[in-house]
Amino acid sequence: GAVVSQHPSRVICKSGTSVKIECRSLDFQATTMFWYRQFPKQSLMLMATSNEGSKATYEQGVEKDKFLINHASLTLSTLTVTSAHPEDSSFYICSAKARVRVGTGELFFGEGSRLTVL
Amino acid sequence: DAKTTQPPSMDCAEGRAANLPCNHSTISGNEYVYWYRQIHSQGPQYIIHGLKNNETNEMASLIITEDRKSSTLILPHATLRDTAVYYCIVRVGPGWGSTLGRLYFGRGTQLTVWP
Repeated sequence: GAVVSQHPSRVICKSGTSVKIECRSLDFQATTMFWYRQFPKQSLMLMATSNEGSKATYEQGVEKDKFLINHASLTLSTLTVTSAHPEDSSFYICSAKARVRVGTGELFFGEGSRLTVL
Repeated sequence: DAKTTQPPSMDCAEGRAANLPCNHSTISGNEYVYWYRQIHSQGPQYIIHGLKNNETNEMASLIITEDRKSSTLILPHATLRDTAVYYCIVRVGPGWGSTLGRLYFGRGTQLTVWP
């Protein structure tokens, strides 16, 4: 089956530092990747859409200078939380849209990355 | 914005069928109904999707009303491992030439399966 891997799964950082989260499609090529954020006991909120080789499209209210997204290849997208603050602490989840249908699906989620900013 | 309404929580006894309802009264003609679930602290997992016909796979069955304004996800024999938040989402269907994939999650239904 199709696997989307996120790294790191957990990260703790000091306030003011930047943190990079990677999202990789391991056995398929992803034309588009999506980033979500989820606060405790809340639903997933779409942050941005990234297409390989082009700039990301951010949802309304999401600061693009705060959450830098790079989609340099068909298998890797990165989310960098710049100058992180405690309010950025959250569960960040990516999903990848396969270029070619894989099995019975075309959209696959990573296992999430939990960011804690002290 | 999420275009669906789901009950916030439901309980089900292990081994019994779990029937999770979803209202999507503003669904468009080209929109499918998708179901995902999220076990605590994990990424969402795809369950099933449908357009207007009922669907069944190894995980669940999806019953869509004739007017497509509501649907029900059925887990025929719930197990403790089925305890999760279940999300019903409407979205344009699985087309390769489109810019699909942006999902807008509602609050979902917390299903608790008890022994």
